[in-house]
Amino acid sequence: ETGVTQTPRHLVMGMTNKKSLKCEQHLGHNAMYWYKQSAKKPLELMFVYNFKEQTENNSVPSRFSPECPNSSHLFLHLHTLQPEDSALYLCASSQVGRARETQYFGPGTRLLVL
Amino acid sequence: TQLLEQSPQFLSIQEGENLTVYCNSSSVFSSLQWYRQEPGEGPVLLVTVVTGGEVKKLKRLTFQFGDARKDSSLHITAAQPGDTGLYLCAGAASGGSNYKLTFGKGTLLTVNP
Repeated sequence: ETGVTQTPRHLVMGMTNKKSLKCEQHLGHNAMYWYKQSAKKPLELMFVYNFKEQTENNSVPSRFSPECPNSSHLFLHLHTLQPEDSALYLCASSQVGRARETQYFGPGTRLLVL
Repeated sequence: TQLLEQSPQFLSIQEGENLTVYCNSSSVFSSLQWYRQEPGEGPVLLVTVVTGGEVKKLKRLTFQFGDARKDSSLHITAAQPGDTGLYLCAGAASGGSNYKLTFGKGTLLTVNP
């Protein structure tokens, strides 16, 4: 399945580093999402972009900065992260406006903050 | 805040056995989705249920939405090792934006050969 791709698949970074996660969807969708998946916790919605406009920021700390230059690409810029930010970061896309739309997920980026 | 409770959290069974996992909430959802997530991959949608009391079948998987649209179950018949994975339920808020999903913590299923 190559509908939603994410790079890198794995990332190790120090607390003072700056890095970016990239997501690309090839499905022609108009909405993209960032989720955080931690052990023993439900998937947490972080950001939603609808037609390139951010429509949801779920009280995410400012050390996470999303960017959506067009409807096919989504970035998550990371800086001065904490060890508790270590998790699987999932990107998803969907076609908003379609009844009972489905969210398609990428494979995720496994992030470890040291 | 809407919460979805999934049970059991872990399930380890032998090939050929049947199993049921549950997804419960005190909130009403306009629809409920089931996903399966394999190690190193993102969740993949299995089914969406919309109508209270609805039953959907996908080969050996049977999904049911509760009459009040607050709960759901997934039953697997004659489980196979390929069914191993994390099963997630996710509810779309009733009357809210369809794109906002509330996820349960998941049931980690292991089917041993």
